[in-house]
Amino acid sequence: DAKTTQPNSMESNEEEPVHLPCNHSTISGTDYIHWYRQLPSQGPEYVIHGLTSNVNNRMASLAIAEDRKSSTLILHRATLRDAAVYYCILRSGGTSYGKLTFGQGTILTVHP
Amino acid sequence: DGGITQSPKYLFRKEGQNVTLSCEQNLNHDAMYWYRQDPGQGLRLIYYSQIVNDFQKGDIAEGYSVSREKKESFPLTVTSAQKNPTAFYLCASTNSRDRRAEAFFGQGTRLTVV
Repeated sequence: DAKTTQPNSMESNEEEPVHLPCNHSTISGTDYIHWYRQLPSQGPEYVIHGLTSNVNNRMASLAIAEDRKSSTLILHRATLRDAAVYYCILRSGGTSYGKLTFGQGTILTVHP
Repeated sequence: DGGITQSPKYLFRKEGQNVTLSCEQNLNHDAMYWYRQDPGQGLRLIYYSQIVNDFQKGDIAEGYSVSREKKESFPLTVTSAQKNPTAFYLCASTNSRDRRAEAFFGQGTRLTVV
């Protein structure tokens, strides 16, 4: 399975941008990059996904490196409600197409 | 409204007893998943299923069993063989054939062994 690596934790101040990195050096050409976030005592929720091009939605932006070996989730103006665990995962094809594996994620702390 | 429902939210079990956690979805998703989460940790995959009457072991399947008799339902049984069952259990579903598709999660079941 293609793996992802994220920092254990990051901190930000409210209303400042946050850049959450993810490394996926073994990504294959057809793997999609997905991001989820998990608030305390809740199930994760989808944030954004992409393949090659940068993506924007109402929650965040996703910047994907040209070689696709890394990506960055960008929260343009962090709020206290953005404090959560953020997971970067790969959705793969081939024999692993149904398997969804999450790592440890990044704990984001937002300071007022 | 479409969604994925787990029940119960809290569950207490005596040591040596089996217990079954419920997960139901009305999203017409083919794939369903069970994860375990310990305090301060990420999600670990227990079992997943992509089709009725078929399922695959995840990374920590020992001490757990599942069934997939209906597309909508994927119950998880925590057996007495699971040595440390106290944890937060999450169920998810998605369209496994579309790698762009998002996964939907339930609100979780917190299991405590007393």
